[in-house]
Amino acid sequence: QAVVTQEPSLTVSPGGTVTLTCGSSTGAVTSGHYPYWLQQRPGQAPRTLIYDTSNKYSWTPARFSGSLLGGKAALTLSGAQPEDEAEYYCLLSYSDTRRVFGGGTKLTVL
Amino acid sequence: EVQLVESGGGLVQPGGSLRLSCAASGFTFSNYWMHWVRQAPGKGLVWVSRINIDGSGTIYADSVQGRFSISRDNAKSTLFLHMNSLRVEDTAVYYCATLASIDYWGQGIVVTVSS
Repeated sequence: QAVVTQEPSLTVSPGGTVTLTCGSSTGAVTSGHYPYWLQQRPGQAPRTLIYDTSNKYSWTPARFSGSLLGGKAALTLSGAQPEDEAEYYCLLSYSDTRRVFGGGTKLTVL
Repeated sequence: EVQLVESGGGLVQPGGSLRLSCAASGFTFSNYWMHWVRQAPGKGLVWVSRINIDGSGTIYADSVQGRFSISRDNAKSTLFLHMNSLRVEDTAVYYCATLASIDYWGQGIVVTVSS
């Protein structure tokens, strides 16, 4: 089973920009992995922010964007807000249709 | 209003069995693949299993392969997870979710495996 890697923790200043990345042990992440990005605040169920690399839901704040960057999936937060402090998970789909989550990135806004 | 409501969790001894249910409402359940995801206490999300729209295709994470079985009843808009040979490491909050261009998650149900 593939291993999906994320930065364990990142810190961003209020109003600043930060990029979270998501890599795969099988090689470069492509659009064919249909990358998802999920946000989870303490004590809450996760909710998805980005699907299929870069598509947003109606509830996804405009300051979040998804892309592919240097062989990885990336989630960029531009103009960080205090409420963005949370755990962020990426989810990749593999050719056998299994999905694998990354270990999560704890984002601190400080 | 869209809802996914899990039930069937609880405390079970190692080696025991449980059946989780996820009742869906507010959307056309039979149009979507469905997933189970779990989260052990203080740990990250782990994908567990997926079922296709008519139940003919299922797939599992290595950690539960051969012990868990996913199924669905589209007439009742309900998803199931049959869990056998439970281990201490299966202790987690279990979520049902769509993981699709529509994003619906249940509130989660606690499963504790302990003697």
